[in-house]
Amino acid sequence: QSALTQPPSASGSPGQSVTISCTGTSSDVGGYNYVSWYQQHPGKAPKLMIYDDSKRPSGVPDRFSGSKSGNTASLTVSGLQAEDESDYYCSSSSGSIIVFGTGTRVTVL
Amino acid sequence: QVQLVESGGGVVQPGKSLRLSCAASGFIFTNHGMHWVRQAPGKGLEWVATIWYDGSHKYYADSVKGRFTISRDNSKNTLYLQMNSLRAEDTAAYYCARGRRYCSGGGCYSWYFDFWGQGTLVTVSS
Repeated sequence: QSALTQPPSASGSPGQSVTISCTGTSSDVGGYNYVSWYQQHPGKAPKLMIYDDSKRPSGVPDRFSGSKSGNTASLTVSGLQAEDESDYYCSSSSGSIIVFGTGTRVTVL
Repeated sequence: QVQLVESGGGVVQPGKSLRLSCAASGFIFTNHGMHWVRQAPGKGLEWVATIWYDGSHKYYADSVKGRFTISRDNSKNTLYLQMNSLRAEDTAAYYCARGRRYCSGGGCYSWYFDFWGQGTLVTVSS
């Protein structure tokens, strides 16, 4: 049950785009499994941002988008805003086991 | 509106037990698998356990298998986590989360968590 690999940090200026990667294996991300993404502000509960690789829940701005290729999934935040500064986690499955990514802190410069 | 409210956290000595509860409202509880996810102070998210909508299937992370038990009372719309033989490394905020997943052709894909509780803090310390 190894965690999915994410870069510890990413940053961008307001209005720019930032992309976070989430790397797993053929048993989780690369298999017949979907990836979801969560945003977590300090001291708060996580919030679902992307599910089934690229779908956005109602209420999530379309600045957030997800994609997947092989064993790596990505979350892109376009048109960065100050409120996007947060921690982001990916998640997938390997059989009945659920795994999270190591987390990425996004800083808006 | 969907609400998940955890309770039962606190300070407990190593080796002791604690039971967490998660009261659900605002949705049909029996339509959803439910999950516990924890987060140690300053660390990332860690999946703990999953229970199917009817309680028929339960799954655990290796780190808690044999010590923790997930259960649910559908008549009370409540999810539980019984934690035994607690260790210092179990210190974390524990979140309950509602699960959803796409199912097709007799198979189901990865869970995702569309609603989360506010979390309850468990501290294991002597």
